Amino acid sequence: DSGVTQTPKHLITATGQRVTLRCSPRSGDLSVYWYQQSLDQGLQFLIQYYNGEERAKGNILERFSAQQFPDLHSELNLSSLELGDSALYFCASSHGSGGTTNEQFFGPGTRLTVL
Amino acid sequence: AQSVTQPDIHITVSEGASLELRCNYSYGATPYLFWYVQSPGQGLQLLLKYFSGDTLVQGIKGFEAEFKRSQSSFNLRKPSVHWSDAAEYFCAVGTTSGGYQKVTFGIGTKLQVIP
Repeated sequence: DSGVTQTPKHLITATGQRVTLRCSPRSGDLSVYWYQQSLDQGLQFLIQYYNGEERAKGNILERFSAQQFPDLHSELNLSSLELGDSALYFCASSHGSGGTTNEQFFGPGTRLTVL
Repeated sequence: AQSVTQPDIHITVSEGASLELRCNYSYGATPYLFWYVQSPGQGLQLLLKYFSGDTLVQGIKGFEAEFKRSQSSFNLRKPSVHWSDAAEYFCAVGTTSGGYQKVTFGIGTKLQVIP
């Protein structure tokens, strides 16, 4: 158990819909990272937040957005869903902003299926 | 930009045999290097990491990896594989820029262990 929690575990929805994925980082960790893992694209970094502020952006679509709240939990919002958005979405956390000795601890993931 | 190559998508070894998973990276300076393992239906777990110092790094579950700067490699090894090692293994390279860390993952190597 990494200490990172993600809800829900599974999510099934239809095209065009909007969903919210939730992540609670390890106690004391200030950074949260979101990743998308699909069979064809592998593990892709989406976005990072540090202490409530966006710090880095990866391959995140404009239809996707995220935020980190004062209690440090984070939500990833996916809208206008398409079939290709079906994937495993992982959240990871680390202690600092991403300095030299920070490893990331991964949650169990949310499996999103878009029908 | 950094990149990671894991040339072997799928490897099959017999239980008790030795294992080496290859990883090559591309980055202008010395990166931070990681190996993660993902069991089916689980999140990623850190096996080991290299930041500096001794180029032979020991990790959990009996794994080790060696950083070879001249070859831009960070191969993962285990002297005797157990059936429970069957999983997907990801090499990752981390760099810091502007105070934040960017981690790029390889495509992963799926390990099958046969009795």
